[in-house]
Amino acid sequence: DAKTTQPNSMESNEEEPVHLPCNHSTISGTDYIHWYRQLPSQGPEYVIHGLTSNVNNRMASLAIAEDRKSSTLILHRATLRDAAVYYCILRGLGGGSNYKLTFGKGTLLTVNP
Amino acid sequence: GAGVSQSPSNKVTEKGKDVELRCDPISGHTALYWYRQSLGQGLEFLIYFQGNSAPDKSGLPSDRFSAERTGGSVSTLTIQRTQQEDSAVYLCASSLAGRGPGNTIYFGEGSWLTVV
Repeated sequence: DAKTTQPNSMESNEEEPVHLPCNHSTISGTDYIHWYRQLPSQGPEYVIHGLTSNVNNRMASLAIAEDRKSSTLILHRATLRDAAVYYCILRGLGGGSNYKLTFGKGTLLTVNP
Repeated sequence: GAGVSQSPSNKVTEKGKDVELRCDPISGHTALYWYRQSLGQGLEFLIYFQGNSAPDKSGLPSDRFSAERTGGSVSTLTIQRTQQEDSAVYLCASSLAGRGPGNTIYFGEGSWLTVV
């Protein structure tokens, strides 16, 4: 499985933007970049995903580097509710186990009031 | 219901007993996943069902673990002769189609299992 690298933890202040980085230098051409987050004592929650172009939805934006070897999840105005572990996951086509989400350790985001 | 439903939400069982955990996926979702998350650890894939295809059981940690999916909907994860190391949150997830990499996977709130 293609792997991702994320910082173990990040800190932000409420109402400020947050940029969560993810490196995926071994990404293949058909791998989608997915972001999930897990709030304390809850199951993971889908945030956003993309393939090549930058993506926006009501929760966040996803900026994908031109060479696709890295991406950044952008929370435009962090709230206390955004404190969670954020997972960057590659999910691709093909055989084997590419269809399932393989979770790493993610980034623990702390939001200060 | 609107989301993936799991029951029980909490279960305390004695070592050696069998337990059954239930998952009710989102209506119309043909793909169903079970994951496990031990305290302070990441999510570990257990098993995957897609329609009438043979399930992918590659993540089941031992033969004490089994799962079935009846009628392409509800799934039950069974742990026989529970051990203390089985204590974890068991998470069920579902998605619309099978292996498409763009499909979103939706998770339930989990069943918290404690083996004493």
